[in-house]
Amino acid sequence: EAQVTQNPRYLITVTGKKLTVTCSQNMNHEYMSWYRQDPGLGLRQIYYSMNVEVTDKGDVPEGYKVSRKEKRNFPLILESPSPNQTSLYFCASSLLAVPRGETQYFGPGTRLLVL
Amino acid sequence: KQEVTQIPAALSVPEGENLVLNCSFTDSAIYNLQWFRQDPGKGLTSLLLIQSSQREQTSGRLNASLDKSSGRSTLYIAASQPGDSATYLCAVRWGAQKLVFGQGTRLTINP
Repeated sequence: EAQVTQNPRYLITVTGKKLTVTCSQNMNHEYMSWYRQDPGLGLRQIYYSMNVEVTDKGDVPEGYKVSRKEKRNFPLILESPSPNQTSLYFCASSLLAVPRGETQYFGPGTRLLVL
Repeated sequence: KQEVTQIPAALSVPEGENLVLNCSFTDSAIYNLQWFRQDPGKGLTSLLLIQSSQREQTSGRLNASLDKSSGRSTLYIAASQPGDSATYLCAVRWGAQKLVFGQGTRLTINP
């Protein structure tokens, strides 16, 4: 089944404890992206990647890191999480490196609580 | 600033009614506009994608229209069912990497 998977789905952590949220897609998509969703603010893009070893900042990159060592994986790294990073996180992918004309496929989301 | 607005934030209608969800955007130079559905605990599911050169797209009971000149899109749902209850998100692509989401309309269909 074609899908985007994220792990973990739920995570409670404490301020400053490094964590990684994994994202994997099995559709051989070139483009991958991370979003966070907050009440009243909608979905905002954190980082995106157009291909292996090619990543760039979205609208709200502060406090996050990403890497794209393999085409299928795009982990989101929080080196020192803070309470303002408590949010619902979504990973998404699209077939082409420049996704102008096709849809994005979204993972199920990861709900993060930073205490 | 490129922004997407969805009004109302929440809508409740009885089963069987036809309904319209609204999306407005600030800059008409778009690549495309997409409607998503979001269910609690699940990711976003793409419903319809309208390219900038198109006026509408249809899928089953859903019809999405696009009027770039006025900066508006509507999602029409015919013969609504309780299973249509979800949050509906509008997203506009302005650049290759610039996808902006509205805040969504939470739709409840009452049996």
